Amino acid sequence: SAVISQKPSRDICQRGTSLTIQCQVDSQVTMMFWYRQQPGQSLTLIATANQGSEATYESGFVIDKFPISRPNLTFSTLTVSNMSPEDSSIYLCSVERSINTEAFFGQGTRLTVV
Amino acid sequence: QKEVEQDPGPLSVPEGAIVSLNCTYSNSAFQYFMWYRQYSRKGPELLMYTYSSGNKEDGRFTAQVDKSSKYISLFIRDSQPSDSATYLCAMSEGYGGATNKLIFGTGTLLAVQP
Repeated sequence: SAVISQKPSRDICQRGTSLTIQCQVDSQVTMMFWYRQQPGQSLTLIATANQGSEATYESGFVIDKFPISRPNLTFSTLTVSNMSPEDSSIYLCSVERSINTEAFFGQGTRLTVV
Repeated sequence: QKEVEQDPGPLSVPEGAIVSLNCTYSNSAFQYFMWYRQYSRKGPELLMYTYSSGNKEDGRFTAQVDKSSKYISLFIRDSQPSDSATYLCAMSEGYGGATNKLIFGTGTLLAVQP
C-alpha cells in the first residue's frame, strides 16, 4: 500500500481567493493524479501530475484554474484558483506505485467556498 | 447518458443480510472493473477488481461482471455494521497508468443496522 497525506483536510474559503492542497506520499511513486468529488457526482479526474513538467488535464479542466506542481516523485500540489461556490467539493490525490498497478487515494480535502 | 450509472441509495439492511450493489455502463471497451469502499471522510480504497467477464470471490465479497449486459455487481454476504460505507464502482479500458482513466459511478451509500 501507499501512505498518502493530504493537507489541509478541510477549509472554508472566501470566493475569489485561491487554495493550495498538498499531497505527500511515503515513498516514490510513478503516477500521481488529482480528482474532484462533488456532492452527488462521480469521482472525476482533473489531471495527471507529471514530474518536472506540465500536468496533463482532462477535458473541462484548465491549468489557469487548477495549476498543479510535481517537483519530485513523492509530492504534488493542486491549487484551486479564483474560487467560486461551485468549486466546493472534495479534492483527492491518488497515486500508483508503478504503471498498471493499484491506485491508492488520500483522505481528501473538503473545500467549502462561501 | 453517463458512461457509468449507479443507484446512489441509500441502502439500509439488517446485520447478516446479503447486499447486492450494481452498476451499468455504456462503453463496451471497458475491460477492468473495480469496486472501491469509501468510509465517511476517508479516501476510496480498492476492494476488488475483475478483468473481463466472470465472478471473483474474496471472503464475504463476490464481484460479478456481465459484459454482454454491461452490468456489474458486488455481493456482500453476512453483512456487518463495519461494512457501512459508500461503495463506488469504477471501470477502465486498461489497468493503471495515465492513459487508462478510471470512470467512476456516483457511489451507493450502504448502512448495515445492528
